[in-house]
Amino acid sequence: DAKTTQPTSMDCAEGRAANLPCNHSTISGNEYVYWYRQIHSQGPQYIIHGLKNNETNEMASLIITEDRKSSTLILPHATLRDTAVYYCIVSWPGNTGKLIFGQGTTLQVKP
Amino acid sequence: DAGVIQSPRHEVTEMGQEVTLRCKPISGHDYLFWYRQTMMRGLELLIYFNNNVPIDDSGMPEDRFSAKMPNASFSTLKIQPSEPRDSAVYFCASSLRAWDYEQYFGPGTRLTVT
Repeated sequence: DAKTTQPTSMDCAEGRAANLPCNHSTISGNEYVYWYRQIHSQGPQYIIHGLKNNETNEMASLIITEDRKSSTLILPHATLRDTAVYYCIVSWPGNTGKLIFGQGTTLQVKP
Repeated sequence: DAGVIQSPRHEVTEMGQEVTLRCKPISGHDYLFWYRQTMMRGLELLIYFNNNVPIDDSGMPEDRFSAKMPNASFSTLKIQPSEPRDSAVYFCASSLRAWDYEQYFGPGTRLTVT
């Protein structure tokens, strides 16, 4: 069963912020939210992850709601190279080490 | 570091032939993962290793698939005999720790079985 729900596709203008939503209403207390992306014909690439606090790195920001039932990945200044499929994954960092990839959101950045 | 290395990048074979895909993880990473990606099923985890030991192979589709990790720097995924439905892109990934969850993916091997 899918643990996350993401829109199938989104468009964003180049230079603008891209906000990618993810619903994870059944998330449990010890589960983290992870974001990966896959640019066409490449392997997936890790972006960011978080538990309950907002996180920021050189690639993106992750905003997690207080009830942790949803989150938003923010690419502050999208470029054409950010066109990719973005995967939101919920999992817990136990010994199993599994990431279950859903269908993701296809983000198209347009000039 | 060169990242995760996979070979070959492309493989075309006939049904019934044996296929071996290879992966070299990032040095020092304790975990190695094999994934398969198709349009129909998306990205699926097939098997993963911890310190060269297979931990979970529940994603391996059937007995025709086998994976080994003889040492920390090399792993193989073998399909024998291959079938057209095995056509997919196979990715190898490695991570420093399971709970680290920053998995580094290789470029993939595109397998076509005719």
